[in-house]
Amino acid sequence: GQQLNQSPQSMFIQEGEDVSMNCTSSSIFNTWLWYKQDPGEGPVLLIALYKAGELTSNGRLTAQFGITRKDSFLNISASIPSDVGIYFCAGQLRTNAGKSTFGDGTTLTVKP
Amino acid sequence: DAGITQSPRHKVTETGTPVTLRCHQTENHRYMYWYRQDPGHGLRLIHYSYGVKDTDKGEVSDGYSVSRSKTEDFLLTLESATSSQTSVYFCAISRESYEQYFGPGTRLTVT
Repeated sequence: GQQLNQSPQSMFIQEGEDVSMNCTSSSIFNTWLWYKQDPGEGPVLLIALYKAGELTSNGRLTAQFGITRKDSFLNISASIPSDVGIYFCAGQLRTNAGKSTFGDGTTLTVKP
Repeated sequence: DAGITQSPRHKVTETGTPVTLRCHQTENHRYMYWYRQDPGHGLRLIHYSYGVKDTDKGEVSDGYSVSRSKTEDFLLTLESATSSQTSVYFCAISRESYEQYFGPGTRLTVT
């Protein structure tokens, strides 16, 4: 089956710093999604990308759909303590009846 | 927030007993999913449904069955629970099969 490699596995940063994380796949996807999970809760959708090369922002978050359709990037600018959590990427093929393949997550810790 | 609830939220059961987890939605979304989340493995799809009585297997379906008799309810059953099924289980819903909205999770411990 398809697998996603998400990196880095964890990050420890100072408040105010920018953050970058990415996901790569050996196969192409039609859709890339980024989710955030707070401790003890379910993941929440942050950004959805539907076209190769697409760049989409949601507040301090910016995500890009790689031009090869095999990767995606998420950047967080000027991090704040509430950015702490696990960030997941997910890829989908239109032919897969809604099945998403998830990366293993990037755990972000922000030091005040 | 999407109207999605899971019950129970916590359960402790013994090896060999049957367990049923319930996912209930008030959004009338077509697609529903069950995932398990374990440390180091992210979210892994167990089963999903693309309509009433229409279900299919995910990547880790062994030992699990599902049923969807109404649009709003998707049940996950462990016929005979094993310790390897100790996990956090998430239900998700989706209208158009792309963006998924997750429930709060059920923490299951099999002793």
